[in-house]
Amino acid sequence: AQSVAQPEDQVNVAEGNPLTVKCTYSVSGNPYLFWYVQYPNRGLQFLLKYITGDNLVKGSYGFEAEFNKSQTSFHLKKPSALVSDSALYFCAVRDRDTDKLIFGTGTRLQVFP
Amino acid sequence: DTAVSQTPKYLVTQMGNDKSIKCEQNLGHDTMYWYKQDSKKFLKIMFSYNNKELIINETVPNRFSPKSPDKAHLNLHINSLELGDSAVYFCASSQDLTVHEQYFGPGTRLTVT
Repeated sequence: AQSVAQPEDQVNVAEGNPLTVKCTYSVSGNPYLFWYVQYPNRGLQFLLKYITGDNLVKGSYGFEAEFNKSQTSFHLKKPSALVSDSALYFCAVRDRDTDKLIFGTGTRLQVFP
Repeated sequence: DTAVSQTPKYLVTQMGNDKSIKCEQNLGHDTMYWYKQDSKKFLKIMFSYNNKELIINETVPNRFSPKSPDKAHLNLHINSLELGDSAVYFCASSQDLTVHEQYFGPGTRLTVT
């Protein structure tokens, strides 16, 4: 079965510092991987995806993610965090047999001024 | 204009009641979804429809019945509500089954007392 794991419930970072939100995956075959963000009392918003090609994927709001096949990881990164980046971040994998999106448990990012 | 809208935003009701949540998307998408987010923020797909046809029907109680009158609408009816049904329900849409980005509605917070 396809799955993703987000090992950190919460990540704290100071504004202006780089941030990383971790995600590892377990899939058979080549993965389709995604990052979504959920702001308080809002629905999820798509940030970026990896389907194939360049291992470094750039997305919305200055976020990027690096696909690492050997480490089965797809960590979300941003060079300089903003307080407004504080939100809940979900990694997801698409099950290509069922077309379902399988979400991780989410990581709360808190950026302190 | 709101891309994916849900009504109501909040729903408080008693055990045993029947309630419906409505979802509409104005993106011209073919595929729509219902997700449930529990109190721990875990997000899981319940149903998906493509051009009004049921595609994904997860293992949810048959008290939950989706209905898609047209491809812009996907409603969720819940019979005999139980305490455990309390959650946030998200509607989402995507262009079609092969497109990977999903667009989420703002959610409906259902509280069963």
